[in-house]
Amino acid sequence: RKEVEQDPGPFNVPEGATVAFNCTYSNSASQSFFWYRQDCRKEPKLLMSVYSSGNEDGRFTAQLNRASQYISLLIRDSKLSDSATYLCVVDQALHSGAGSYQLTFGKGTKLSVIP
Amino acid sequence: ETGVTQSPTHLIKTRGQQVTLRCSSQSGHNTVSWYQQALGQGPQFIFQYYREEENGRGNFPPRFSGLQFPNYSSELNVNALELDDSALYLCASSLAGPGGYEQYFGPGTRLTVT
Repeated sequence: RKEVEQDPGPFNVPEGATVAFNCTYSNSASQSFFWYRQDCRKEPKLLMSVYSSGNEDGRFTAQLNRASQYISLLIRDSKLSDSATYLCVVDQALHSGAGSYQLTFGKGTKLSVIP
Repeated sequence: ETGVTQSPTHLIKTRGQQVTLRCSSQSGHNTVSWYQQALGQGPQFIFQYYREEENGRGNFPPRFSGLQFPNYSSELNVNALELDDSALYLCASSLAGPGGYEQYFGPGTRLTVT
């Protein structure tokens, strides 16, 4: 099983639609979860951190189910500017401690919002 | 913007050559992580530096090495370049310790090996 698996995509949705991305992770010891957004040929940018049972930021809602090792991202009222690749990211503590973590990324799901 | 900078932005090298990539971390951050992102893939963890020492390493051979300097900036060195090393190399800075889990990425260096 891959460490972080995402919907393969691509997702092509009309403006104003609601779209949901799903992600599963294999490391039950992971403590922190994130969604990053990556535009074409650019660096990943932190979209949302998901620390507990989920959180909301405007049109974006992230949910976490630790028992199922499942994370989701919901985007409501999609905008053209939401077109990007969305990366599901899970932390893994480094053995050296010091509170340091590596990030494990999924392959990403590409979203295209169509006028 | 994250305040994380990388240089150069683009680089073309020949197989067998060596390359050095540079990263300046965000002000106040003491940890730098390096990632390799091949086309169509998510970033893959190479290693992390904290207090000028390697703090953890992913599944990359020893020809990938790094340094961190007292000002927390960092270098990634790759020896004996192979064609498969062609990728976007990303550095991310963070603050080690409780609550310091979020990593912020620089714009990356796109390396092409011919």
